[in-house]
Amino acid sequence: DADVTQTPRNRITKTGKRIMLECSQTKGHDRMYWYRQDPGLGLRLIYYSFDVKDINKGEISDGYSVSRQAQAKFSLSLESAIPNQTALYFCAAGQAGSPQHFGDGTRLSIL
Amino acid sequence: GQQLNQSPQSMFIQEGEDVSMNCTSSSIFNTWLWYKQDPGEGPVLLIALYKAGELTSNGRLTAQFGITRKDSFLNISASIPSDVGIYFCAGQLSGGSNYKLTFGKGTLLTVNP
Repeated sequence: DADVTQTPRNRITKTGKRIMLECSQTKGHDRMYWYRQDPGLGLRLIYYSFDVKDINKGEISDGYSVSRQAQAKFSLSLESAIPNQTALYFCAAGQAGSPQHFGDGTRLSIL
Repeated sequence: GQQLNQSPQSMFIQEGEDVSMNCTSSSIFNTWLWYKQDPGEGPVLLIALYKAGELTSNGRLTAQFGITRKDSFLNISASIPSDVGIYFCAGQLSGGSNYKLTFGKGTLLTVNP
């Protein structure tokens, strides 16, 4: 697989806090993605990046921001966390025309 | 936007039985993907389909890309306990942005030993 690593794996925090989720990949893929998974809703795309400094909004980008300052790294930030952002977050990486490969996820709980 | 209808939502079967699940779309895709998610892990790619009508196998798994390009099915033969998990279909469009991957809501499979 694309050796996609996400940190932290679990995080509990309070409403209003700023949170950053990190993602790194070791296969040199150009494209990286952040998804959110909620029970019964499947995976929904938050942001994606096709190259360093390239940032594009997905379906549900409000309340989130991302940074792609290196090809191997793509971070997701919640500037001021709110309880309905409690979810499982996945990072994925891939090349054009090839399937995306996923990390093992970050379980985020906002109290 | 595009929507994928994945069915069934859940299945409870006995070990050794065959399983079938499918996805239908309101519009066409160029690629169909099937992923499996185990508890506490991310989705793992099982099968990728790139051509309408294509039938592809991966061990006990078989998937087909519908001829209309609006549907796909996944079959699992002779199920075993480790087949337990959530199975997702995903459709992808190619084109200028070549990114758009739309996921179904998943099929939760339980296999009773």
